[in-house]
Amino acid sequence: AQSVTQLDSQVPVFEEAPVELRCNYSSSVSVYLFWYVQYPNQGLQLLLKYLSGSTLVKGINGFEAEFNKSQTSFHLRKPSVHISDTAEYFCAVTDTRAGTALIFGKGTTLSVSS
Amino acid sequence: KAGVTQTPRYLIKTRGQQVTLSCSPISGHRSVSWYQQTPGQGLQFLFEYFSETQRNKGNFPGRFSGRQFSNSRSEMNVSTLELGDSALYLCASSLTSLDSGNTIYFGEGSWLTVV
Repeated sequence: AQSVTQLDSQVPVFEEAPVELRCNYSSSVSVYLFWYVQYPNQGLQLLLKYLSGSTLVKGINGFEAEFNKSQTSFHLRKPSVHISDTAEYFCAVTDTRAGTALIFGKGTTLSVSS
Repeated sequence: KAGVTQTPRYLIKTRGQQVTLSCSPISGHRSVSWYQQTPGQGLQFLFEYFSETQRNKGNFPGRFSGRQFSNSRSEMNVSTLELGDSALYLCASSLTSLDSGNTIYFGEGSWLTVV
């Protein structure tokens, strides 16, 4: 069965500092990987996704993630964060099997302060 | 174009009652999936419907059910509500089924409180 582990439940950082949100997954088949952001009282917004090909994926709002198959990781990075990046971030996995599910990690709360 | 629309946005129900939540996917999208979000359990997959067929179901009791109509709109129903069913229920749509890797778009959710 698939699973996703987000290694940090909370990440506090100062504005303009770099940040990395860590995500590891477990799956026995080829996967698709996603990062979503959720602002308070809102739904989920897709930041980026990995399907295949280049392991470095660029997304919206200056975020990027790197797929590492050997380490089964898909860490999210941003070189310089803003106050407006404060939100909850979810890593999710699905795969190529018919009837697959979208499985989420527990989420990481990113708190950016000045 | 319009996004994923969920109704109602907020509702309060009493234990033992049932509830039906509605989801209108993005025009042209044929897959609708549902998720339950709670502070303790996080985001959990409920089920996916594609072309009116349930493709998969998460680890939830039979009280949770759903369906999809020919226009791709979907409803989920929870019968015999329990306090623990209080949650944000999120609907998502995509062009094709989850195994295709297509982008999955989420609605803003329906907040259910069971008292």
